[in-house]
Amino acid sequence: NAGVTQTPKFQVLKTGQSMTLQCAQDMNHNSMYWYRQDPGMGLRLIYYSASEGTTDKGEVPNGYNVSRLNKREFSLRLESAAPSQTSVYFCASSEGRDHSNQPQHFGDGTRLSIL
Amino acid sequence: GDSVTQMEGPVTLSEEAFLTINCTYTATGYPSLFWYVQYPGEGLQLLLKATKADDKGSNKGFEATYRKETTSFHLEKGSVQVSDSAVYFCALRWGFQKLVFGTGTRLLVSP
Repeated sequence: NAGVTQTPKFQVLKTGQSMTLQCAQDMNHNSMYWYRQDPGMGLRLIYYSASEGTTDKGEVPNGYNVSRLNKREFSLRLESAAPSQTSVYFCASSEGRDHSNQPQHFGDGTRLSIL
Repeated sequence: GDSVTQMEGPVTLSEEAFLTINCTYTATGYPSLFWYVQYPGEGLQLLLKATKADDKGSNKGFEATYRKETTSFHLEKGSVQVSDSAVYFCALRWGFQKLVFGTGTRLLVSP
């Protein structure tokens, strides 16, 4: 059972470069999420997708775009990377569109450094 | 808005000691409450949850009780092991809202 798979695990970019973080889940979950984790700030939601074909902004969406390619895949794109986007990025998924009591399942993260 | 407050770490304990990590929340409704654990180099894993007042979530020797009157969901374990060393996150979710996390508490257990 792979669960939630993120690629790449590590990446170093120069300021202004672009890249896409990939996420795929094999649990047939409807909802998917992108978070960033920074020291002392916990996890902050960047974007989420409650179902295939829909995406919504989270707490910190500026500088990012997302695509829900199909039910399995949810990618996060940095169009012009900035040092402030240096962080660990986590993708997560959960079963239902109703978020109230269902846990989220997390990938192992992508550690991104912007020089 | 909804928020979660956790005690600052690190919490440093010797093996077999009793653990408490405090968590309090602010929410406009009646949220579900969660504890997640993050081991070094890994993503977050659900540890336990409680969906209504007075529910007790438990898993792997950890417990937490949903206390509506004190808006708390403290994590406890009677005897910690070195393998419990990790970062613990308290979180809430209410209705169609997204998951709201606390800032995390690092636990270090020494032999």
